[in-house]
Amino acid sequence: QKEVEQNSGPLSVPEGAIASLNCTYSDRVSQSFFWYRQYSGKSPELIMSIYSNGDKEDGRFTAQLNKASQYVSLLIRDSQPSDSATYLCAVSGATNKLIFGTGTLLAVQP
Amino acid sequence: DGGITQSPKYLFRKEGQNVTLSCEQNLNHDAMYWYRQDPGQGLRLIYYSQIVNDFQKGDIAEGYSVSREKKESFPLTVTSAQKNPTAFYLCASRAGTVITEAFFGQGTRLTVV
Repeated sequence: QKEVEQNSGPLSVPEGAIASLNCTYSDRVSQSFFWYRQYSGKSPELIMSIYSNGDKEDGRFTAQLNKASQYVSLLIRDSQPSDSATYLCAVSGATNKLIFGTGTLLAVQP
Repeated sequence: DGGITQSPKYLFRKEGQNVTLSCEQNLNHDAMYWYRQDPGQGLRLIYYSQIVNDFQKGDIAEGYSVSREKKESFPLTVTSAQKNPTAFYLCASRAGTVITEAFFGQGTRLTVV
């Protein structure tokens, strides 16, 4: 079982729709969870971090964490073509090890 | 400007050569990381370091070596033992506690010729 799992996609959504990206993790003692966006050929940039169960909103982005189900998600409202990128989920535990999933490719259709 | 600087941006290596990728940060971060990314793939952890003079192997450490002699520097050597080194290499740093975000350098694209 991989430590962090994501559906590789591509996930295709029309402009203006809600994009829902999902991630599961295997280490129950994981403490912090991150979503990064990566454009082709570029380095990842942080979108959201979440540390406790529930929802965290920042503009058009909402991160959701459910530690009991070992599940973290990212919702993007009013999706724009500029949101088209690979979204990487990352998980960190007590040892400071930071593990990434394989990423989900999002395509927003104009 | 605070940030993470990786150099060079592009690197070409002949088979059998060792090459060293540079990563420097002026963010006063304790933890630093090296990742490898292959086309269409996620980031795989090579090595990470939580403090000076200490580092741990990640999931794909074979064929790589690192040092952490200074807080701001974490160079990665790709040795001749790494049979398929062509990839995009990313360095990241974070403040050192678990509940802090990691920030990335611009990456080094290594190609074996």
